[in-house]
Amino acid sequence: DTAVSQTPKYLVTQMGNDKSIKCEQNLGHDTMYWYKQDSKKFLKIMFSYNNKELIINETVPNRFSPKSPDKAHLNLHINSLELGDSAVYFCASSRANTEAFFGQGTRLTVV
Amino acid sequence: GQQLNQSPQSMFIQEGEDVSMNCTSSSIFNTWLWYKQEPGEGPVLLIALYKAGELTSNGRLTAQFGITRKDSFLNISASIPSDVGIYFCAGPSYNTDKLIFGTGTRLQVFP
Repeated sequence: DTAVSQTPKYLVTQMGNDKSIKCEQNLGHDTMYWYKQDSKKFLKIMFSYNNKELIINETVPNRFSPKSPDKAHLNLHINSLELGDSAVYFCASSRANTEAFFGQGTRLTVV
Repeated sequence: GQQLNQSPQSMFIQEGEDVSMNCTSSSIFNTWLWYKQEPGEGPVLLIALYKAGELTSNGRLTAQFGITRKDSFLNISASIPSDVGIYFCAGPSYNTDKLIFGTGTRLQVFP
């Protein structure tokens, strides 16, 4: 059973489009995250949710909107995609303030 | 903000060699985590450290929580080709609880 699963694994889309990435965890964790990994492999946190509530919102453009329908899901919707949004996006979950478990990543390519 | 710097940035070693890498911060951390990321995958937790001075092993991997709480070390003994990947240190920020990742150490092992 996959602990943290995100879909799709690959996403190629044109500039200006709107796209969503879905994430689900079956670990019973209260906290979920979205991270962005750039071409230099730096991992930066974008958002953190605890029990469906937004806890952390780093300096991320408004075009990025996370949605947590329940504590097992945290989806990421991106409007008006730009070339600079191309990256690998990782979903993760944890019990509050402990080690995080990551999904396999979604490689987003904006053309 | 808190930053985690890892060194070396990359390592190219022969199979069978031992590896040492470290992670330093300008501020104190109460938890240190070490992750490994293989190509096309998400980071996977290797070792978690919770106490200053703590030394923890996981197979051929040994990690230490520095006494100053501003650094941590990861050693890999008798490296094998499957040790290839990027190794990240991480820790929760003291005032926001967000998990901050280090800059990563890329390890390449030659048979």
